[in-house]
Amino acid sequence: GAVVSQHPSWVICKSGTSVKIECRSLDFQATTMFWYRQFPKQSLMLMATSNEGSKATYEQGVEKDKFLINHASLTLSTLTVTSAHPEDSSFYICSATNPDTDITGELFFGEGSRLTVL
Amino acid sequence: GENVEQHPSTLSVQEGDSAVIKCTYSDSASNYFPWYKQELGKRPQLIIDIRSNVGEKKDQRIAVTLNKTAKHFSLHITETQPEDSAVYFCAASRYSTLTFGKGTMLLVSP
Repeated sequence: GAVVSQHPSWVICKSGTSVKIECRSLDFQATTMFWYRQFPKQSLMLMATSNEGSKATYEQGVEKDKFLINHASLTLSTLTVTSAHPEDSSFYICSATNPDTDITGELFFGEGSRLTVL
Repeated sequence: GENVEQHPSTLSVQEGDSAVIKCTYSDSASNYFPWYKQELGKRPQLIIDIRSNVGEKKDQRIAVTLNKTAKHFSLHITETQPEDSAVYFCAASRYSTLTFGKGTMLLVSP
Protein backbone atom coordinates (compact mmCIF):
# COMPACT_ATOMS: atom_id res chain seq x y z
CA GLY A 1 0.00 0.00 0.00
CA ALA A 2 0.88 3.62 0.32
CA VAL A 3 0.67 5.77 3.43
CA VAL A 4 0.08 9.48 3.43
CA SER A 5 0.37 11.35 6.70
CA GLN A 6 -0.94 14.82 7.35
CA HIS A 7 -0.16 17.15 10.22
CA PRO A 8 -1.62 18.76 12.23
CA SER A 9 -4.94 16.93 12.43
CA TRP A 10 -6.60 20.00 13.87
CA VAL A 11 -5.59 23.58 14.46
CA ILE A 12 -7.26 26.65 15.91
CA CYS A 13 -5.84 30.05 15.09
CA LYS A 14 -6.70 33.70 15.37
CA SER A 15 -7.91 35.67 12.40
CA GLY A 16 -5.02 37.21 10.48
CA THR A 17 -2.45 34.58 11.34
CA SER A 18 -0.96 31.98 8.99
CA VAL A 19 -1.20 28.24 9.35
CA LYS A 20 0.95 25.58 7.72
CA ILE A 21 -0.27 22.05 7.03
CA GLU A 22 2.14 19.29 6.08
CA CYS A 23 1.48 16.29 3.89
CA ARG A 24 4.00 13.47 3.75
CA SER A 25 4.18 10.27 1.74
CA LEU A 26 5.76 7.81 4.15
CA ASP A 27 6.66 4.81 2.04
CA PHE A 28 6.77 6.10 -1.49
CA GLN A 29 7.88 9.10 -3.49
CA ALA A 30 5.00 11.27 -4.58
CA THR A 31 5.84 13.42 -7.56
CA THR A 32 2.32 14.81 -7.47
CA MET A 33 0.15 15.64 -4.49
CA PHE A 34 -3.32 17.11 -4.41
CA TRP A 35 -4.92 19.45 -1.91
CA TYR A 36 -8.65 19.35 -1.28
CA ARG A 37 -10.94 21.43 0.88
CA GLN A 38 -14.16 20.12 2.34
CA PHE A 39 -16.78 22.29 4.00
CA PRO A 40 -19.29 20.68 6.37
CA LYS A 41 -21.72 18.35 4.61
CA GLN A 42 -20.14 19.08 1.26
CA SER A 43 -17.93 17.25 -1.17
CA LEU A 44 -14.19 17.41 -1.61
CA MET A 45 -13.17 20.27 -3.83
CA LEU A 46 -9.79 20.21 -5.49
CA MET A 47 -7.81 23.32 -4.62
CA ALA A 48 -4.53 22.67 -6.34
CA THR A 49 -2.18 20.11 -7.76
CA SER A 50 1.28 20.17 -6.27
CA ASN A 51 4.22 19.02 -8.36
CA GLU A 52 7.64 18.39 -6.89
CA GLY A 53 10.09 21.06 -7.89
CA SER A 54 7.65 23.28 -9.72
CA LYS A 55 4.84 25.70 -9.05
CA ALA A 56 1.49 24.33 -8.03
CA THR A 57 -1.45 24.42 -10.40
CA TYR A 58 -4.46 26.06 -8.79
CA GLU A 59 -8.09 25.43 -9.61
CA GLN A 60 -10.24 28.27 -10.75
CA GLY A 61 -11.36 30.45 -7.88
CA VAL A 62 -8.59 29.42 -5.50
CA GLU A 63 -6.32 32.31 -4.53
CA LYS A 64 -2.72 31.23 -4.97
CA ASP A 65 -1.43 34.08 -2.82
CA LYS A 66 -3.65 33.02 0.04
CA PHE A 67 -3.08 29.29 -0.19
CA LEU A 68 0.64 28.84 -0.63
CA ILE A 69 1.72 25.40 -1.71
CA ASN A 70 5.29 24.15 -1.60
CA HIS A 71 6.40 20.74 -2.81
CA ALA A 72 10.10 20.89 -2.13
CA SER A 73 10.77 17.18 -1.92
CA LEU A 74 9.34 13.93 -3.23
CA THR A 75 7.80 13.14 0.13
CA LEU A 76 6.57 16.48 1.44
CA SER A 77 4.07 19.06 0.32
CA THR A 78 2.92 21.94 2.48
CA LEU A 79 -0.15 24.15 2.36
CA THR A 80 0.05 27.50 4.11
CA VAL A 81 -3.14 29.42 4.68
CA THR A 82 -2.01 33.03 4.91
CA SER A 83 -3.88 35.72 6.80
CA ALA A 84 -6.56 33.24 7.73
CA HIS A 85 -10.13 34.38 8.23
CA PRO A 86 -13.16 32.59 9.67
CA GLU A 87 -14.40 31.73 6.19
CA ASP A 88 -11.22 29.70 5.67
CA SER A 89 -12.33 27.33 8.42
CA SER A 90 -12.63 23.96 6.76
CA PHE A 91 -11.32 20.41 6.52
CA TYR A 92 -8.20 20.31 4.35
CA ILE A 93 -7.11 16.97 2.95
CA CYS A 94 -4.08 16.08 0.89
CA SER A 95 -3.67 13.08 -1.34
CA ALA A 96 -1.07 11.48 -3.54
CA THR A 97 -0.68 8.77 -6.09
CA ASN A 98 2.01 6.13 -5.94
CA PRO A 99 3.65 6.13 -9.37
CA ASP A 100 5.45 2.88 -8.62
CA THR A 101 2.28 0.82 -8.37
CA ASP A 102 -0.48 2.49 -10.28
CA ILE A 103 -0.89 3.91 -13.75
CA THR A 104 -4.41 5.25 -13.65
CA GLY A 105 -4.01 6.86 -10.29
CA GLU A 106 -5.60 5.49 -7.14
CA LEU A 107 -5.41 8.27 -4.58
CA PHE A 108 -4.12 7.82 -1.05
CA PHE A 109 -5.45 10.39 1.37
CA GLY A 110 -3.93 11.97 4.42
CA GLU A 111 -5.89 12.05 7.65
CA GLY A 112 -7.08 15.58 7.01
CA SER A 113 -6.57 18.79 8.95
CA ARG A 114 -9.46 20.65 10.50
CA LEU A 115 -8.78 24.36 10.58
CA THR A 116 -10.84 26.65 12.77
CA VAL A 117 -10.18 30.36 12.50
CA LEU A 118 -11.55 32.46 15.34
CA GLY B 1 -13.46 19.90 -17.34
CA GLU B 2 -15.07 16.85 -15.83
CA ASN B 3 -18.46 17.12 -14.13
CA VAL B 4 -19.76 14.35 -11.88
CA GLU B 5 -23.37 14.20 -10.77
CA GLN B 6 -24.37 11.93 -7.89
CA HIS B 7 -27.80 10.83 -6.72
CA PRO B 8 -29.46 10.59 -4.32
CA SER B 9 -28.05 13.08 -1.82
CA THR B 10 -29.51 11.11 1.07
CA LEU B 11 -30.61 7.51 1.29
CA SER B 12 -32.27 5.79 4.20
CA VAL B 13 -32.67 2.02 4.25
CA GLN B 14 -33.49 -0.69 6.74
CA GLU B 15 -30.78 -3.08 7.82
CA GLY B 16 -30.58 -5.94 5.38
CA ASP B 17 -31.93 -3.96 2.43
CA SER B 18 -29.90 -3.05 -0.63
CA ALA B 19 -28.68 0.46 -1.40
CA VAL B 20 -27.90 1.88 -4.83
CA ILE B 21 -26.10 5.14 -5.54
CA LYS B 22 -25.77 6.44 -9.08
CA CYS B 23 -23.31 8.79 -10.74
CA THR B 24 -22.90 10.26 -14.18
CA TYR B 25 -19.83 11.87 -15.67
CA SER B 26 -19.25 14.18 -18.60
CA ASP B 27 -15.71 13.52 -19.85
CA SER B 28 -15.66 10.46 -22.08
CA ALA B 29 -11.89 10.27 -21.60
CA SER B 30 -12.21 9.51 -17.88
CA ASN B 31 -10.96 6.02 -17.24
CA TYR B 32 -10.95 5.45 -13.51
CA PHE B 33 -14.00 5.48 -11.24
CA PRO B 34 -13.45 5.00 -7.51
CA TRP B 35 -15.97 5.03 -4.71
CA TYR B 36 -15.08 6.39 -1.29
CA LYS B 37 -16.70 6.04 2.09
CA GLN B 38 -16.19 8.90 4.51
CA GLU B 39 -17.13 8.89 8.14
CA LEU B 40 -17.53 12.16 9.97
CA GLY B 41 -14.23 13.97 10.42
CA LYS B 42 -12.17 11.26 8.80
CA ARG B 43 -10.39 10.77 5.53
CA PRO B 44 -12.18 9.19 2.58
CA GLN B 45 -11.55 5.48 2.30
CA LEU B 46 -11.53 3.69 -1.01
CA ILE B 47 -14.10 0.90 -0.94
CA ILE B 48 -14.11 -0.19 -4.56
CA ASP B 49 -13.01 1.09 -7.93
CA ILE B 50 -13.49 0.23 -11.56
CA ARG B 51 -11.53 1.04 -14.66
CA SER B 52 -12.95 1.81 -18.06
CA ASN B 53 -12.08 -1.56 -19.57
CA VAL B 54 -14.38 -3.39 -17.12
CA GLY B 55 -18.17 -3.31 -16.89
CA GLU B 56 -18.68 -4.69 -13.40
CA LYS B 57 -16.71 -5.45 -10.31
CA LYS B 58 -17.77 -7.07 -7.05
CA ASP B 59 -16.20 -7.33 -3.63
CA GLN B 60 -18.32 -9.21 -1.10
CA ARG B 61 -21.38 -7.02 -0.41
CA ILE B 62 -20.23 -4.18 -2.63
CA ALA B 63 -20.44 -4.02 -6.40
CA VAL B 64 -19.91 -1.32 -8.99
CA THR B 65 -21.20 -1.23 -12.55
CA LEU B 66 -20.00 1.01 -15.37
CA ASN B 67 -21.76 1.94 -18.58
CA LYS B 68 -19.26 3.83 -20.70
CA THR B 69 -21.70 4.51 -23.49
CA ALA B 70 -24.15 6.22 -21.18
CA LYS B 71 -21.35 7.60 -19.00
CA HIS B 72 -22.78 6.44 -15.74
CA PHE B 73 -21.68 4.14 -12.96
CA SER B 74 -23.38 2.85 -9.86
CA LEU B 75 -22.54 1.50 -6.43
CA HIS B 76 -24.57 -1.38 -5.06
CA ILE B 77 -24.45 -2.42 -1.42
CA THR B 78 -26.34 -5.55 -0.46
CA GLU B 79 -27.36 -6.73 3.01
CA THR B 80 -26.72 -3.31 4.48
CA GLN B 81 -25.57 -3.02 8.07
CA PRO B 82 -25.66 -0.05 10.47
CA GLU B 83 -21.89 0.31 10.13
CA ASP B 84 -22.41 1.05 6.44
CA SER B 85 -23.88 4.40 7.50
CA ALA B 86 -21.58 7.13 6.16
CA VAL B 87 -21.21 9.54 3.27
CA TYR B 88 -20.29 7.90 -0.02
CA PHE B 89 -18.58 9.76 -2.84
CA CYS B 90 -18.16 8.69 -6.40
CA ALA B 91 -15.37 10.14 -8.51
CA ALA B 92 -14.08 10.09 -12.03
CA SER B 93 -10.58 10.71 -13.18
CA ARG B 94 -8.20 10.91 -16.03
CA TYR B 95 -4.50 11.10 -15.27
CA SER B 96 -4.96 11.10 -11.49
CA THR B 97 -7.03 14.29 -11.21
CA LEU B 98 -10.20 13.17 -9.44
CA THR B 99 -13.49 14.99 -9.69
CA PHE B 100 -15.89 14.04 -6.92
CA GLY B 101 -19.63 13.84 -6.86
CA LYS B 102 -21.44 15.77 -4.15
CA GLY B 103 -21.86 12.73 -1.95
CA THR B 104 -24.66 10.54 -0.67
CA MET B 105 -25.42 10.27 3.01
CA LEU B 106 -26.45 6.67 3.63
CA LEU B 107 -28.30 5.89 6.83
CA VAL B 108 -28.92 2.26 7.69
CA SER B 109 -31.47 1.80 10.44
CA PRO B 110 -31.37 -1.32 12.64
